[in-house]
Amino acid sequence: QKEVEQNSGPLSVPEGAIASLNCTYSDRGSQSFFWYRQYSGKSPELIMFIYSNGDKEDGRFTAQLNKASQYVSLLIRDSQPSDSATYLCAVTRDYGQNFVFGPGTRLSVLP
Amino acid sequence: SAVISQKPSRDICQRGTSLTIQCQVDSQVTMMFWYRQQPGQSLTLIATANQGSEATYESGFVIDKFPISRPNLTFSTLTVSNMSPEDSSIYLCSVVGTTDTQYFGPGTRLTVL
Repeated sequence: QKEVEQNSGPLSVPEGAIASLNCTYSDRGSQSFFWYRQYSGKSPELIMFIYSNGDKEDGRFTAQLNKASQYVSLLIRDSQPSDSATYLCAVTRDYGQNFVFGPGTRLSVLP
Repeated sequence: SAVISQKPSRDICQRGTSLTIQCQVDSQVTMMFWYRQQPGQSLTLIATANQGSEATYESGFVIDKFPISRPNLTFSTLTVSNMSPEDSSIYLCSVVGTTDTQYFGPGTRLTVL
């Protein structure tokens, strides 16, 4: 069974710190990796996607992928209280389908 | 990214009734999905809505309970039939367009009394 695992949290960081969110997956054939942010009562919102090993940066967000270790992470620099949300990791081996979501990590950024 | 709308945004229904949720996208998309998310839980895929043919259901979900239509590349409906309080949840439509990136609609919050 294909699985995606995340620490459920809550992960608490002070404002201005770096928040590090981790995700591991079991399917070695996975090709595409996504991070979604979900505020309470709202639907998931895509933050970043990454396909290749290494780092991908977008503003304050950096996604890191290590396929050999089956590990993908999301770093949030200069964390703000508005970053407080649940972060979902999603993985797929098939183009545009068969997405597998992790349980999500709840992040709390303390002012 | 695609702009996705869902109707209704929320509803309160009586046990034994049915509710049809609509999902409309502003552009043609290749894939459309329906998810359920119960409070404090992650996403559970109900089915893939196939254009012009029967939906593909995940384990634990059946057509009689969750009939799905997708008459074209921009529209789909999910019906929750013969509802019970256990069906209270948020129902989300999602789409995949020309990239393999998935985007979600705003969701429908369903409460069954």
